[in-house]
Amino acid sequence: DTVMTQSPLSLPVTPGEPASISCRSSQSLLHSNGYNYLNWYLQKPGQSPQLLIYLASKRASGVPDRFSGSGSGTDFTLKISRVEAEDVGIYYCMQALRARTFGQGTKVEIK
Amino acid sequence: EVQLVESGGGLVQPGGSLRLSCAASGFTLSSYWMSWVRQAPGKGLEWVANIKQDGSEEYYVDSVKGRFTISRDNAKNSLYLQMNSLRAEDTAVYYCARDLSAAGGEGGNWGQGTLVTVSS
Repeated sequence: DTVMTQSPLSLPVTPGEPASISCRSSQSLLHSNGYNYLNWYLQKPGQSPQLLIYLASKRASGVPDRFSGSGSGTDFTLKISRVEAEDVGIYYCMQALRARTFGQGTKVEIK
Repeated sequence: EVQLVESGGGLVQPGGSLRLSCAASGFTLSSYWMSWVRQAPGKGLEWVANIKQDGSEEYYVDSVKGRFTISRDNAKNSLYLQMNSLRAEDTAVYYCARDLSAAGGEGGNWGQGTLVTVSS
């Protein structure tokens, strides 16, 4: 089974400052088509999860450009260039190459 | 607009059964892999099962294999999860989701969830 490990698990942030979340996979997520099957989801308080990033670096429709995804193989990063108050919630990485597996989640809150 | 509406949750005794349904609208169900994902109270997300567009392939997390069955009826725009031999640890909000991978540029949509509580 593919294990997804996120860090940190808790991230206090200051509005206007950048933030970064790391996600590591126990196996490579690089498909033979050249894409990495790694997604990022955000679950805002009291809501269902919403897709932010798919295929490691592609922003989903309607997602602000302050969100960006990078990485390849087993190491991935989600970056928020300037955090806004509405970005609070739990961020999950998810691998989609072998069935599906989520990371433990990273709780982002305002300092 | 893509909409996914789950139903069928409730309180069930250990060892009992429950069937969840997910009504899909705003897209052609037969074009997408579909999944069930659960979230135990205060915990993270756990993928449960997924099913190919035509129902020919199904995959499950180890903890539900042999107890849960995912199915779909594309003509009725519906996804199902039959849950048997339920255990306390199956207590969770269950979400249906359209193509979690979103690899085709569309997908990653979730319903609002339905709560399943397994308790005597």
